[in-house]
This record gives sequence, structure tokens and C-alpha cells, in this order.
Amino acid sequence: AQSVTQLDSQVPVFEEAPVELRCNYSSSVSVYLFWYVQYPNQGLQLLLKYLSGSTLVKGINGFEAEFNKSQTSFHLRKPSVHISDTAEYFCAVSERGDYKLSFGAGTTVTVRA
Amino acid sequence: NAGVMQNPRHLVRRRGQEARLRCSPMKGHSHVYWYRQLPEEGLKFMVYLQKENIIDESGMPKERFSAEFPKEGPSILRIQQVVRGDSAAYFCASSPYQGTLNTEAFFGQGTRLTVV
Repeated sequence: AQSVTQLDSQVPVFEEAPVELRCNYSSSVSVYLFWYVQYPNQGLQLLLKYLSGSTLVKGINGFEAEFNKSQTSFHLRKPSVHISDTAEYFCAVSERGDYKLSFGAGTTVTVRA
Repeated sequence: NAGVMQNPRHLVRRRGQEARLRCSPMKGHSHVYWYRQLPEEGLKFMVYLQKENIIDESGMPKERFSAEFPKEGPSILRIQQVVRGDSAAYFCASSPYQGTLNTEAFFGQGTRLTVV
């Protein structure tokens, strides 16, 4: 069975600064990888996903993530954050051949002016 | 096209009462998945339903919890005789095709259950 570890539970960051959210997973088989965002009082929204191909994945709102198979990581980055990026971010993994998603505990990003 | 609708958004129940959580999938979606998020934890899979069928309930607690997705109407997650440990956010997702939670699903806003 797979598991997901988000290494930071809280990430405060100033507006226009870069941010990186760390995600590591463990699995004995090939996986698909995802980042979801939950804005205050809203549902989960898919930011980006890695299924195959290029290990650098670009998503919505200027976010990108890089799949590193040797380090079993899928870190999320944004070069310059806005106040509106304040939200909770979830990393998720799904084993190929299985439909279920396993989620990390989430990282709360708070962007300050 | 409205998204996945969950209601109520917030639900408060006293210990021993029943909680009913509703999920209306996106139009055209016939596959529904329920997840639970306990405080300080990630979302955990509970159950996967297709209209009138439970496909996978491997994540459902064995007692007090049940789910259904009738031919007409929303999917219902029912928790009988709630206890404080049931306090959590319950999320529903829907997808158009079988077993595509990881590639084609959309999530609702969640129902936050508080047991007092």
C-alpha cells in the first residue's frame, strides 16, 4: 500500500516570495501523483497531476511540480505567491491499476502582505 | 453545470444521534466516492458506489456507517449513534466512468460534522 508524507504542516510566506511544498511518497509500484488545493470554504480542486512523460508538470495558477522517482518526491513550487494563494494544499498518490487516491495530511499556506 | 454538491455544509449532532450526509454528483456522473478527513490527518477513502451498487467499501468502519446511491436522488452517507470520534470533514467526489477517481473525478466542498 502507498503512503504520502507532507513534510510541512504550516508554511507562512510573504507576498511575491517563492514557495515550495514538499511531498514524499512510498509505494512498491508505479504511481500517479497529484496536488489538490482547498481554498477557504471551498471544495478540493485539482492543481496538477503527473501520469507519465515529462517529470516537470505545470498546473493552474502558476504552480508546477517535479516528479523525482529516485527520491520518491513530488514537490510543488510557485515562484511568486499572491494573497489569493492562501489555502490548504494536499499531495495525493494513486497506484497504477488502482483508482483510489491516498492523501497527505495537508500543508496550510498563509500568504502575508 | 453545477459541481458536486454536498449538504449540509456543517452538521452538529449530539452523541447517540444519527447523521445523514448528502452528495449530489455532477450531471452525467454515476460514480460516487466518499472520503473522511479526521483532524490533522489526510483524507481517507471510505466507499465507492455506483447507482444502486456498492463497489468498494473497504474503508468503511464495520459498525454504524452505511452508504447508498439510489437510482434517483443523491448519495447518502449515514452514521448511526454518532460518537465524538466521528467529528470530521466528509468529502464526496464523483466521476463519469468506472474507477476513475484518480483521473476524472471532481470533489465537493465537504460536510463538517461536529459531535457534541
